[in-house]
Amino acid sequence: AQSVTQLGSHVSVSEGALVLLRCNYSSSVPPYLFWYVQYPNQGLQLLLKYTSAATLVKGINGFEAEFKKSETSFHLTKPSAHMSDAAEYFCAVSEGQAGTALIFGKGTTLSVSS
Amino acid sequence: DVKVTQSSRYLVKRTGEKVFLECVQDMDHENMFWYRQDPGLGLRLIYFSYDVKMKEKGDIPEGYSVSREKKERFSLILESASTNQTSMYLCASSLGQTTNEKLFFGSGTQLSVL
Repeated sequence: AQSVTQLGSHVSVSEGALVLLRCNYSSSVPPYLFWYVQYPNQGLQLLLKYTSAATLVKGINGFEAEFKKSETSFHLTKPSAHMSDAAEYFCAVSEGQAGTALIFGKGTTLSVSS
Repeated sequence: DVKVTQSSRYLVKRTGEKVFLECVQDMDHENMFWYRQDPGLGLRLIYFSYDVKMKEKGDIPEGYSVSREKKERFSLILESASTNQTSMYLCASSLGQTTNEKLFFGSGTQLSVL
């Protein structure tokens, strides 16, 4: 069965610092991997997704993630944090087959201080 | 852009009541999903549907049922609400039969069971 582990339920950074949110996955088949973001009082929206085309995936708002099969990881990074990046971030995995669904991690709350 | 509409933003019900949560999407999406979101637990899949009248159990279906009579509408039913079902409920939809597609989320329904 597929699963996702997000390391660190809360990450705090200063404005301008590197953002690193960690995600490890487990899947019996080559996975599809996603990062979603949830701003306060809003639904989730897609940041980026990996579908085997390229291991380094660029998303919206300057975020990117690298798929590392050997480490079963899909960590999310941003070189320079902005106050508006404060939100909850969810990593998710899918086997991509009909009749299956996306499985989410427990989420990481990112705080950005000035 | 795709719109996923959940009928209520906030709902307060009493223990034992039958509760209906409605979700409508306006872009002819095949897949629809119900998740619940709890602090520290992330999103957990309750049920999903990949076609009209089709449904699949997710990770936590106990105490819930669903209905999908029309392609655009996916209802979540709490047969006899209990206090442990107090939660944020998120509906989502995606275009294709497979799950490598982007999920579009509604804004959520915060259900309180007293």
